[in-house]
Amino acid sequence: RKEVEQDPGPFNVPEGATVAFNCTYSNSASQSFFWYRQDCRKEPKLLMSVYSSGNEDGRFTAQLNRASQYISLLIRDSKLSDSATYLCVVNTNAGKSTFGDGTTLTVKP
Amino acid sequence: DTGVSQNPRHKITKRGQNVTFRCDPISEHNRLYWYRQTLGQGPEFLTYFQNEAQLEKSRLLSDRFSAERPKGSFSTLEIQRTEQGDSAMYLCASSYSRADGNSPLHFGNGTRLTVT
Repeated sequence: RKEVEQDPGPFNVPEGATVAFNCTYSNSASQSFFWYRQDCRKEPKLLMSVYSSGNEDGRFTAQLNRASQYISLLIRDSKLSDSATYLCVVNTNAGKSTFGDGTTLTVKP
Repeated sequence: DTGVSQNPRHKITKRGQNVTFRCDPISEHNRLYWYRQTLGQGPEFLTYFQNEAQLEKSRLLSDRFSAERPKGSFSTLEIQRTEQGDSAMYLCASSYSRADGNSPLHFGNGTRLTVT
């Protein structure tokens, strides 16, 4: 079993839709959590950190459930420009970052 | 400082040859990471450094792979006797480690290796 698991998708949604991605992790000692976005043939870029109380950045909302070792990302009012692969990242206290294999989103007009 | 810099951007080599990649991190970052990524997969951890100390090396990494960060600044990743299975994007990232946690990773553009 992989340390960080994501539904690979693809998710194909119309513009304006709400879409949610899930991620589970196996290391209970994990300390910090992030969502990254990766466009085709580009490097991953930080989308947002994930805090225990949940956090929002515009149309994006991230949630963390430590008891279930589960992270989620919600995107509201999807735009064409949101089409990308979304990577879940889990850090141990030692600072090692482990990536999921990503969930691919395609937003269609 | 414009971010993490990797060289070369692309490398084509014949099976059996050695290759070396370079990464220059963001100057104030004390941690440097190497990852490998193939199509349809997320970045796979290879190794990371805090300053010049190599803290961890993936068990998946064969002895043909070696990384250094001699002065705690730039890093090199060498692959000896390359194999076709080494073909991938090699990503470098840096971050700053603080007492209260670690900053997110900042990635370079990557080096795409093709072994023929």
